[in-house]
Amino acid sequence: EVHLVESGGGLVQPGGSLRLSCEVSGFTFNNYAMSWVRQAPGKGLEWVSGTRAGYGFTYYVDSVKGRFTISRDNSQNTLYLQMNSLRVEDTAVYYCAKGSSGVELAILDSWGQGTHVTVSS
Amino acid sequence: SSELTQDPAVSVALGQTVRITCQGDSLRTSYATWYQQKPGQAPVLVIYSQNNRPSGIPDRFSGSSSGTTASLTITGAQAEDEADYYCNSRDSSGHHVIFGGGTKLTVL
Repeated sequence: EVHLVESGGGLVQPGGSLRLSCEVSGFTFNNYAMSWVRQAPGKGLEWVSGTRAGYGFTYYVDSVKGRFTISRDNSQNTLYLQMNSLRVEDTAVYYCAKGSSGVELAILDSWGQGTHVTVSS
Repeated sequence: SSELTQDPAVSVALGQTVRITCQGDSLRTSYATWYQQKPGQAPVLVIYSQNNRPSGIPDRFSGSSSGTTASLTITGAQAEDEADYYCNSRDSSGHHVIFGGGTKLTVL
């Protein structure tokens, strides 16, 4: 059974940093694309970043480009999101999600339960 | 444009059929994927590659597409189908993902 468990969320001041982790099990992690998707309080889903299997290509929504870094440790079955220069508008539940193939970023067939990030002074 | 547009809210009588739509230019070249999200829960994939259902998703859920509009149809809506529904697709570059704003489905 596929499991994704996020951690690392919390309360941080504007301008601060957080590192989110997503530990996965139940599938061969290095064979699949992975994404981070966030949901601000009372709002819809927003894709934040993704990484495809194999070549390490990474992609970001414009609003986080240059501030967030997605990475993966295939030996530890873990996906990361390093978030720097955090803004109030980054406040959200952050989900990690598994792509349906090594290159598929949009078909997200398994999701974690999310980790809360609050950016506030 | 790089947006997907959904109606904010739709209602359906118990047992009736409802269609939820998603409109955007990216749908000319990329299939819509549909997710169901219930309050306090993570999203669940319900339809992918236009009209494919993951295992465990009831066959009352189906998808279709025409031009720049994709649709999720629930035939014989059940009380447990009350949820928010989101569409997404790849953008024109193929390297980013865009989500629609979501549709809140109420089953009356």
